[in-house]
Amino acid sequence: AQSVAQPEDQVNVAEGNPLTVKCTYSVSGNPYLFWYVQYPNRGLQFLLKYITGDNLVKGSYGFEAEFNKSQTSFHLKKPSALVSDSALYFCAVRDIGAGSARQLTFGSGTQLTVLP
Amino acid sequence: SQTIHQWPATLVQPVGSPLSLECTVEGTSNPNLYWYRQAAGRGLQLLFYSVGIGQISSEVPQNLSASRPQDRQFILSSKKLLLSDSGFYLCAWLRDGNSPLHFGNGTRLTVT
Repeated sequence: AQSVAQPEDQVNVAEGNPLTVKCTYSVSGNPYLFWYVQYPNRGLQFLLKYITGDNLVKGSYGFEAEFNKSQTSFHLKKPSALVSDSALYFCAVRDIGAGSARQLTFGSGTQLTVLP
Repeated sequence: SQTIHQWPATLVQPVGSPLSLECTVEGTSNPNLYWYRQAAGRGLQLLFYSVGIGQISSEVPQNLSASRPQDRQFILSSKKLLLSDSGFYLCAWLRDGNSPLHFGNGTRLTVT
């Protein structure tokens, strides 16, 4: 079985400071990893993914994430936070060996608030 | 480019009334299609998915059903809504296993 943990329900950061949203995962094989962002009353928007290759993945809006296999983590980062980054962030995982139809397991979400 | 349309955006229905939410995808063929429900603005619950016309897999037993009458159309239905059916319903599509899920803008359903 696969699972995702986002240990922080809420993350607050001052505008201009770096931000980190944490994610750890568990799969039996190799993972596909994804980050999504959700603004109020909207669907989830894809930010970035790790499939294979470089452990540091760059995505939309200046976000990046680092895949760490030994720690089974895929933390989302941004060097300088903007107030407009305030939103709900979801990490998701799929085992490469699993059938794609069953699709992703999502974490419970982390509410990011960037304070002006 | 591919787009996903979901409607209506908001819906208020009385208990016991029927439900029909529609989702269509443009710009791709034979996508995998999904219905999720999000309660209290947090966790996502997979309700149904479909790998082709007429093929529906149910993840959670409840009074909802799904149908896929056409390749790029996915419908979520209920014959009689319950209060507990209130929530934010999201449709999503997938091209292949390496791709991310792409979500519609969701339907906010309130059952009164």
